[in-house]
Amino acid sequence: RKEVEQDPGPFNVPEGATVAFNCTYSNSASQSFFWYRQDCRKEPKLLMSVYSSGNEDGRFTAQLNRASQYISLLIRDSKLSDSATYLCVVNSGTALIFGKGTTLSVSS
Amino acid sequence: DAGVIQSPRHEVTEMGQEVTLRCKPISGHNSLFWYRQTMMRGLELLIYFNNNVPIDDSGMPEDRFSAKMPNASFSTLKIQPSEPRDSAVYFCASRGTSGTGNEQFFGPGTRLTVL
Repeated sequence: RKEVEQDPGPFNVPEGATVAFNCTYSNSASQSFFWYRQDCRKEPKLLMSVYSSGNEDGRFTAQLNRASQYISLLIRDSKLSDSATYLCVVNSGTALIFGKGTTLSVSS
Repeated sequence: DAGVIQSPRHEVTEMGQEVTLRCKPISGHNSLFWYRQTMMRGLELLIYFNNNVPIDDSGMPEDRFSAKMPNASFSTLKIQPSEPRDSAVYFCASRGTSGTGNEQFFGPGTRLTVL
């Protein structure tokens, strides 16, 4: 089983749609969790951290379920500029482990 | 702040040649990471340094790969000899100790093509 697994997509949605990405991780001792965003041919950048109680940043909501080892990212009111690859990231103590990413394409 | 600087941005070389990738981390950051990204395998950690000391190199694919960090502001990743399967984007990232928590800041990457 891969350490961090994501549905690769692509997710093709119209502007204004709500879209959700899911991620599972294998190491139950993982300590912290993140979503990174990567635009085409660019470097990954931190989108948001994921906290046990769930957290929101504008149109973005991240949730963590430690019992199920499951992380989610919800994007409301999608914008064209949200088109990118979203990487689920887990810190297992020494370094970050990246999922392969889920590709989102938002169209007008 | 200039961010993480990598050079070259693109490298095309022939099989068997030596390739050296360079990275300058963000000033004040004490951890540095080298990653490789391919479509098939995604983003893989190759090696990371803490205070210029290699901590975990278990991701280095084989002896053809080596990395050094002679000081806090410079690191190299060397491939000798290079092979076509080494073609990928190589990212360097750095992380500080306070304020930014676990956030890693990535450089723009080096796109390597080995013919």
